[in-house]
Amino acid sequence: NAGVTQTPKFQVLKTGQSMTLQCAQDMNHEYMSWYRQDPGMGLRLIHYSVGAGITDQGEVPNGYNVSRSTTEDFPLRLLSAAPSQTSVYFCASSGLASSYEQYFGPGTRLTVT
Amino acid sequence: AQSVTQLGSHVSVSEGALVLLRCNYSSSVPPYLFWYVQYPNQGLQLLLKYTSAATLVKGINGFEAEFKKSETSFHLTKPSAHMSDAAEYFCAVSAHSGGGADGLTFGKGTHLIIQP
Repeated sequence: NAGVTQTPKFQVLKTGQSMTLQCAQDMNHEYMSWYRQDPGMGLRLIHYSVGAGITDQGEVPNGYNVSRSTTEDFPLRLLSAAPSQTSVYFCASSGLASSYEQYFGPGTRLTVT
Repeated sequence: AQSVTQLGSHVSVSEGALVLLRCNYSSSVPPYLFWYVQYPNQGLQLLLKYTSAATLVKGINGFEAEFKKSETSFHLTKPSAHMSDAAEYFCAVSAHSGGGADGLTFGKGTHLIIQP
């Protein structure tokens, strides 16, 4: 199993550009979520999904969109990037197969100039 | 609503000394509590979790934590620090046993420094 994979590892955007951060898991987990990590702030939940076709907002959802068309994939879209979205983004998944323990991906470091 | 407070953004201990990282939580439902470790430029790894089975929880790498409901605390300890323990540590709370259904609420983290 590859576990949770994220692409790209690094990305630089200009203000106003859009992009999609990819997240995939091969553990047949029902639940997936996106967090952002900022210095001194810990990790904050952006969006989460409890199954294909079902998503909901977390603590800091503004400026981000998600969809879950398959169990395996949970992409995060930035519609119009802003410098405040400079952060490290982590995707996580969990499910019955892991006794609902969350597994984290390696992260995507995004810089918006 | 849930929240987590980690006391001390930086903790420095000597190699071989006791490690104590503090975590207090608030939760409107019986909580599930977690400690994660993050090494530089890596993702998060679960150290241990409390899911109401036992108040003293043992984890990986010699770490353990004790759930104290009366103090709303879940402090992380290790009897003897090793240089390889230097990392960022996060306490997290959830209303669900694995923390997965609607995500985790994290503390701001404690950077553990080990002095030789």
